[in-house]
Amino acid sequence: DAKTTQPNSMESNEEEPVHLPCNHSTISGTDYIHWYRQLPSQGPEYVIHGLTSNVNNRMASLAIAEDRKSSTLILHRATLRDAAVYYCILSGARGGATNKLIFGTGTLLAVQP
Amino acid sequence: ETGVTQTPRHLVMGMTNKKSLKCEQHLGHNAMYWYKQSAKKPLELMFVYSLEERVENNSVPSRFSPECPNSSHLFLHLHTLQPEDSALYLCASSLHGTSNYGYTFGSGTRLTVV
Repeated sequence: DAKTTQPNSMESNEEEPVHLPCNHSTISGTDYIHWYRQLPSQGPEYVIHGLTSNVNNRMASLAIAEDRKSSTLILHRATLRDAAVYYCILSGARGGATNKLIFGTGTLLAVQP
Repeated sequence: ETGVTQTPRHLVMGMTNKKSLKCEQHLGHNAMYWYKQSAKKPLELMFVYSLEERVENNSVPSRFSPECPNSSHLFLHLHTLQPEDSALYLCASSLHGTSNYGYTFGSGTRLTVV
């Protein structure tokens, strides 16, 4: 499974944008880039995913580098409820096999009021 | 509520007990997963079921026994556990065979082995 590298922790101020980076230099052509977050005492929650093009949804935006070796999750206006561990995961289901998500240690985002 | 329901939310059991964790989804997914999250550690994938067949067992001790009777239900049967098995056990579901789809996780069962 291809590996991702994320900073251990980041801090942000409330109502400011947050850019969470992820490096994945060994990504293969069929790997999707997934982002999940985990709030305290809860299961992980899907945030966004993409393959090559930038993606937007109601929660966040995903900016993918042209060479796909890195990506950035963008929270446009951080709130206190966005404080969580954010995981960047590569996922590629090959040959009809079941897709697997292998979690790393993620980035712990702290949001200051 | 995520669409994946896990029961019980909390469980305390002795090392000689037998208990089961239950996971249920009605999202139309056909792949289900058990993860273990110990304190200060990343989530560890334990078992993968796809189309009701176990397709992966990541070197999990035999005191953990999964069961998937249909695509909507997943169980984890526990017996003669050790204190180090205390953790948050998470169930997830998704669609088989595609990476272009997210997982939905339950809220987990917090297990304490005494």
